[in-house]
Amino acid sequence: NAGVTQTPKFRVLKTGQSMTLLCAQDMNHEYMYWYRQDPGMGLRLIHYSVGEGTTAKGEVPDGYNVSRLKKQNFLLGLESAAPSQTSVYFCASSSAGTNTEAFFGQGTRLTVV
Amino acid sequence: QQQVKQSPQSLIVQKGGISIINCAYENTAFDYFPWYQQFPGKGPALLIAIRPDVSEKKEGRFTISFNKSAKQFSLHIMDSQPGDSATYFCAARALSGSARQLTFGSGTQLTVLP
Repeated sequence: NAGVTQTPKFRVLKTGQSMTLLCAQDMNHEYMYWYRQDPGMGLRLIHYSVGEGTTAKGEVPDGYNVSRLKKQNFLLGLESAAPSQTSVYFCASSSAGTNTEAFFGQGTRLTVV
Repeated sequence: QQQVKQSPQSLIVQKGGISIINCAYENTAFDYFPWYQQFPGKGPALLIAIRPDVSEKKEGRFTISFNKSAKQFSLHIMDSQPGDSATYFCAARALSGSARQLTFGSGTQLTVLP
């Protein structure tokens, strides 16, 4: 059981380049989330999804887009990367039931130069 | 607006000592309070969680104390071990509503000296 898998694990981008981060979960969870982690800031929610075909903005959505075409996948896109987007990105998923534990992937370390 | 405030930012404890991390929240709609543990290069993992209908929850060496009137909760790690060295995040979530997203504190880097 892989849980939550993020691809890639590391990436270096030049300013202005675009990329997509992929998150896949095999727990049949309804909810999926993208967070960014910066020193001293904790984890901040970028976008989230409560089901296939739905997305919503979180606390820091600017500069990012997301899509959830399949229940098990949640994609995070950067259309024009900026140095301020240098961060570690975490995907998480959780069920809609009473067990509200969120399971996290191992993270993607992104550097924008 | 930081809805969950966590302190201290870093903590150094001797092996066998007690580690205490504190959090305070503002949103009274929060009704689920988990603590996550994160090791370097890994994603956060749920350590222990509490609902506000109880004042304390204990799992092994880890205890959450919850004060609803003060809107504060804390993590106590008894008999701290070097293997407990990690970053700890408190979080809060409103169980009502459609999203159930977690709001995290800023994290505490715990170092337990051998």
